[in-house]
Amino acid sequence: DTGVSQNPRHKITKRGQNVTFRCDPISEHNRLYWYRQTLGQGPEFLTYFQNEAQLEKSRLLSDRFSAERPKGSFSTLEIQRTEQGDSAMYLCASTWTEGYTFGSGTRLTVV
Amino acid sequence: SQQGEEDPQALSIQEGENATMNCSYKTSINNLQWYRQNSGRGLVHLILIRSNEREKHSGRLRVTLDTSKKSSSLLITASRAADTASYFCATDGNAGNMLTFGGGTRLMVKP
Repeated sequence: DTGVSQNPRHKITKRGQNVTFRCDPISEHNRLYWYRQTLGQGPEFLTYFQNEAQLEKSRLLSDRFSAERPKGSFSTLEIQRTEQGDSAMYLCASTWTEGYTFGSGTRLTVV
Repeated sequence: SQQGEEDPQALSIQEGENATMNCSYKTSINNLQWYRQNSGRGLVHLILIRSNEREKHSGRLRVTLDTSKKSSSLLITASRAADTASYFCATDGNAGNMLTFGGGTRLMVKP
């Protein structure tokens, strides 16, 4: 499979728990992006990496959100002390130049 | 925050008809992209138009861009039931830093 892979596809967690999502981009792509999408809305930018460098993180929603891309390959997005408002679809995308390839997303439900 | 506004928010047509969706944005752009999203899935890149281009075609898709009006349109000709999806415009203001999405147009094509 040469697409962008996201795991897990679905995650249900209790409020206050920490969750981590993983994204495996297309191997040749040096840029990796995280977006959040709530129901009926367009995706909202969170952060992005060029190789292993996180070049923009001011849009992360709070200090409970963090992302890593340790070796410039896969990336993880962690949400600490989850809240019900964190329930959303979390999308990862990668690109080499322009035109993103998106993964299928991780749907998070906080109960 | 979302830069673009899509119009209409929802569109229902019969198979074989053409579908036109419009997008307006607020700030200067490097390029504008259109994406499609089937329910609960990731986004699929359809077409990219650069700020110095006025029109672009790809199969049954035709995109126009008017930078003076900060607007774009996506035309799908001879629609099919399989075209039923949400369509999003996204602007790239700085060549790869991030995309800013609109709220999307939900298209339903009735067989």
